[in-house]
Amino acid sequence: AQSVTQLGSHVSVSEGALVLLRCNYSSSVPPYLFWYVQYPNQGLQLLLKYTSAATLVKGINGFEAEFKKSETSFHLTKPSAHMSDAAEYFCAVSDTGANSKLTFGKGITLSVRP
Amino acid sequence: GAVVSQHPSWVICKSGTSVKIECRSLDFQATTMFWYRQFPKQSLMLMATSNEGSKATYEQGVEKDKFLINHASLTLSTLTVTSAHPEDSSFYICSAWGQGVSYEQYFGPGTRLTVT
Repeated sequence: AQSVTQLGSHVSVSEGALVLLRCNYSSSVPPYLFWYVQYPNQGLQLLLKYTSAATLVKGINGFEAEFKKSETSFHLTKPSAHMSDAAEYFCAVSDTGANSKLTFGKGITLSVRP
Repeated sequence: GAVVSQHPSWVICKSGTSVKIECRSLDFQATTMFWYRQFPKQSLMLMATSNEGSKATYEQGVEKDKFLINHASLTLSTLTVTSAHPEDSSFYICSAWGQGVSYEQYFGPGTRLTVT
């Protein structure tokens, strides 16, 4: 069975500061990994994904994540936070089969202070 | 990118009534769609996998007689909450895998259900 662990429920940073959201996964097969963002009362938007190509993945809005197999991690980073980054962030894992289910972490709320 | 729509975006119904939520893939065909529910400040919980032309696969603990799923075409899946109760109030989100080389699950905007 696959699982995702997102430690902590809330991260607060100052505008312009580094954003680091942690994600660790557990999977018995090579995983695909995803980061999604959710704004209040909206669906999920894909930020970036790892699908066994480059281990450093760049996504939208300046976010990137690095797949580290030895650490079973896929942490999300952004060099400089913007007020508009305040949202809920979910890490998710799936296996590599077609139409596979996504397993989500519990999510992290990112707040950005002026 | 691919677009998934949901209708309605919000609905209020009385306890004991049924409500249907539609999920459509607007510009691609989806043989498989997923239905999630999300409580406030919580993550998405997969309810069921909807397969076109066949029965849905429900996750453990989800009442299949209460949450009826029909995937009648390659672009439409519906979730019907039967005999709704206040505890069914939640945010329901559907999704579908995109086609082709883009390995990405596209999410609908969600439906807020309130049962009074």
